[in-house]
Amino acid sequence: EVQLVESGGGLVKPGGSLRLSCAASGFTFDTYTMNWVRQAPGKGLEWVSSIDGSGRYIYYADSVKGRFTISRDNAKDSLFLQMSSLRAEDTAVYFCTRDSNYGDYWGQGTLVTVSS
Amino acid sequence: DIQLTQSPSSLSASVGDRVTITCRATQNIFTYLAWYQQKPGKAPKLLIYGASNLQTGVPSRFGGSGSGTEFTLTITSLQPDDFATYSCQQYHRYWTFGQGTKVEVK
Repeated sequence: EVQLVESGGGLVKPGGSLRLSCAASGFTFDTYTMNWVRQAPGKGLEWVSSIDGSGRYIYYADSVKGRFTISRDNAKDSLFLQMSSLRAEDTAVYFCTRDSNYGDYWGQGTLVTVSS
Repeated sequence: DIQLTQSPSSLSASVGDRVTITCRATQNIFTYLAWYQQKPGKAPKLLIYGASNLQTGVPSRFGGSGSGTEFTLTITSLQPDDFATYSCQQYHRYWTFGQGTKVEVK
């Protein structure tokens, strides 16, 4: 059974940093591109970043470029999102998703709140 | 960037109703379109991919159609479990999501 479990969310002050993790199981992790997608309270879904199975090809939404860094550890079947220079508008639930072109499996999400 | 616009933003319907949601893209995305269902506090659930392909395990009352810039999600006979928010997603170039359509009880 495919499972994605996010962790690392919490309350952080504007300008602060946070590292999200996503533990994957039930599939061959290094053969899949993985994505982070976020959802601000009461809003729609927003793609944040993607990384291919090898970790070589990485893409970011303009809204987070230069502030967020996606990475993966294929030996530990884990996906990460390092977030820095956080802003109030980064407040959202962050989901990791498996990429089969579309998001066929999603984690339950982890809440990041940026507030003073 | 490819933008997606869903209509309506919300609708009220009764069990048994036929429901149609539209998703329009700002440029040709062929059939690189997916539909998701999301309930409050939960992750999105994939319903349709490739504009019209039903994901395994999704009831056949859900259907998708369209290509190019205009797409439709249809629920042929709304069931109590179907009251939720539905979002389209393009995957022709990166990912973009529509703003969502909330299906509420009439």
